[in-house]
Amino acid sequence: GQSLEQPSEVTAVEGAIVQINCTYQTSGFYGLSWYQQHDGGAPTFLSYNALDGLEETGRFSSFLSRSDSYGYLLLQELQMKDSASYFCAVRASYGQNFVFGPGTRLSVLP
Amino acid sequence: DTEVTQTPKHLVMGMTNKKSLKCEQHMGHRAMYWYKQKAKKPPELMFVYSYEKLSINESVPSRFSPECPNSSLLNLHLHALQPEDSALYLCASTARAGGRSTDTQYFGPGTRLTVL
Repeated sequence: GQSLEQPSEVTAVEGAIVQINCTYQTSGFYGLSWYQQHDGGAPTFLSYNALDGLEETGRFSSFLSRSDSYGYLLLQELQMKDSASYFCAVRASYGQNFVFGPGTRLSVLP
Repeated sequence: DTEVTQTPKHLVMGMTNKKSLKCEQHMGHRAMYWYKQKAKKPPELMFVYSYEKLSINESVPSRFSPECPNSSLLNLHLHALQPEDSALYLCASTARAGGRSTDTQYFGPGTRLTVL
């Protein structure tokens, strides 16, 4: 089976830094992606890690440790518009099937 | 153009109706996906098409029938649905089908389906 775990909710204030963790147990592993989804919207791609380490894209960074089956998304200089759900997703096989985590609801307060 | 379009945006249908959802992308992507998403839940993979061939069917009931007429289009035919099938149906595409790629999934805006 395949399972991913994320915190269900995170709250932070504008300008702060927040980290959203993701642990996974999958039969295979080809990479960990992060997606943002605003209420009523579609998921949009944020970041991808195939190898251990940190990937930085503007205010967002993502980290992966394959040996620990763990990754996180780091959001810096939080803005109100960052309030959304964040999903980690594992590409578990050579084929293109992605398994999504349960999602973390981020609320950014003024 | 990094857009995936879906029609219709909203659909209300009865349990005896037949309807179709449409998805289109013009990015030259060779893998296309259907996902189902319930409120406050993650997207659940339904089908994957690779090079216009069905490569993954995640044990979806036969009342959902996918079709890929060409590399740009993906349809989902609906027949005899149940109220519990009400959800947001998302289409997505990636550049390549398989491989150790870092391909981004581009999602369409979704079709909000209500089955009465």
